[in-house]
Amino acid sequence: GESVGLHLPTLSVQEGDNSIINCAYSNSASDYFIWYKQESGKGPQFIIDIRSNMDKRQGQRVTVLLNKTVKHLSLQIAATQPGDSAVYFCAENSGGSNYKLTFGKGTLLTVNP
Amino acid sequence: DSGVTQTPKHLITATGQRVTLRCSPRSGDLSVYWYQQSLDQGLQFLIHYYNGEERAKGNILERFSAQQFPDLHSELNLSSLELGDSALYFCASSAPMGYGYTFGSGTRLTVV
Repeated sequence: GESVGLHLPTLSVQEGDNSIINCAYSNSASDYFIWYKQESGKGPQFIIDIRSNMDKRQGQRVTVLLNKTVKHLSLQIAATQPGDSAVYFCAENSGGSNYKLTFGKGTLLTVNP
Repeated sequence: DSGVTQTPKHLITATGQRVTLRCSPRSGDLSVYWYQQSLDQGLQFLIHYYNGEERAKGNILERFSAQQFPDLHSELNLSSLELGDSALYFCASSAPMGYGYTFGSGTRLTVV
């Protein structure tokens, strides 16, 4: 069945370092993936997405990498800032007309000044 | 402001009671999704409505129900509440044929 999991529940980095958050998924039929950021007391906020026909996509300070061979997704944040401290979720859509996203449990990123 | 409006922001109620959570999607979005988020779980999909019709159900208890009205706002009804129902409830909306969601800020439900 569908499942999305994260390798690490917490990640602590120094300000200015690069962060890498990993995610494993099990549904090979998934065709679309999204990373969300959730700050305390707020709803998840879209960061970046990638379709299954791509292996890399870049945004502003963020890059998502997709490795379909091993069903692995990662989010790279360059020059991590204190404002990046949040819980990060990966989500997958396994296709079809429902567009239901399945979310992982999340990784807590803490940026130390 | 994401454009998705959820009310109320906080709700405290007793066990056995019934509550209604409300969601207004972004302008133009036809899909509304409800998710439950508790401390030990990620975002758990509850139900999806598209233009007034139920499209999919997830791990939604029989005590819970939802509907989407002609003006596209949605309500999630939770009845016979139990302590374990305490959680954050999020609504999200998406455009027609849209994959990405926009989330509201959630309703924090506390059952005492």
